[in-house]
Amino acid sequence: AQTVTQSQPEMSVQEAETVTLSCTYDTSESDYYLFWYKQPPSRQMILVIRQEAYKQQNATENRFSVNFQKAAKSFSLKISDSQLGDAAMYFCAYRSAQGGSEKLVFGKGTKLTVNP
Amino acid sequence: EPEVTQTPSHQVTQMGQEVILRCVPISNHLYFYWYRQILGQKVEFLVSFYNNEISEKSEIFDDQFSVERPDGSNFTLKIRSTKLEDSAMYFCASRDDRRTEAFFGQGTRLTVV
Repeated sequence: AQTVTQSQPEMSVQEAETVTLSCTYDTSESDYYLFWYKQPPSRQMILVIRQEAYKQQNATENRFSVNFQKAAKSFSLKISDSQLGDAAMYFCAYRSAQGGSEKLVFGKGTKLTVNP
Repeated sequence: EPEVTQTPSHQVTQMGQEVILRCVPISNHLYFYWYRQILGQKVEFLVSFYNNEISEKSEIFDDQFSVERPDGSNFTLKIRSTKLEDSAMYFCASRDDRRTEAFFGQGTRLTVV
């Protein structure tokens, strides 16, 4: 079974600075998807960024980018120019791209605080 | 932008009562899901639904749970006899077959007393 580990329960960053959230995963599959979801205090789950495992190029979405290291099974999220609105829980998630499983497997989350 | 909507936003129920959580997925989506998040814990998969049937379910999704798509727009989760440990945030999500990511609703907070 796949597992996702987020080793940082909490992180903090100064406004306008850069922060990196860590995520590692365990799988025996070669084809899969990885995601970062943001959960603000409203508790809605909002997609931040996604990565297909077959793509070597790291995904970017504006101020958000990932460092995807397939061999190391690592998928970190970098937030540049942090803003107060980035404060939230961030969840890393895995989904298989083979075998028909649709479920997302989530990590335990990292609580990000942005200090003004 | 289309979004997944869930009702109610908060439901309080007595232990042993039946509850139905409602979701309206994004209209052209084909895959539907329920997840739950017990306070302070990680988000857990409950069930996926495709082509009018359950395609996958977790160990959590026992006989007390059922899902239904009663018409072309709604997707419901029923808990037959609620327990205290069913208290959680329940998220509905949907996906179309052209995209890899699922879109989540805002959640229903279920409190069993």
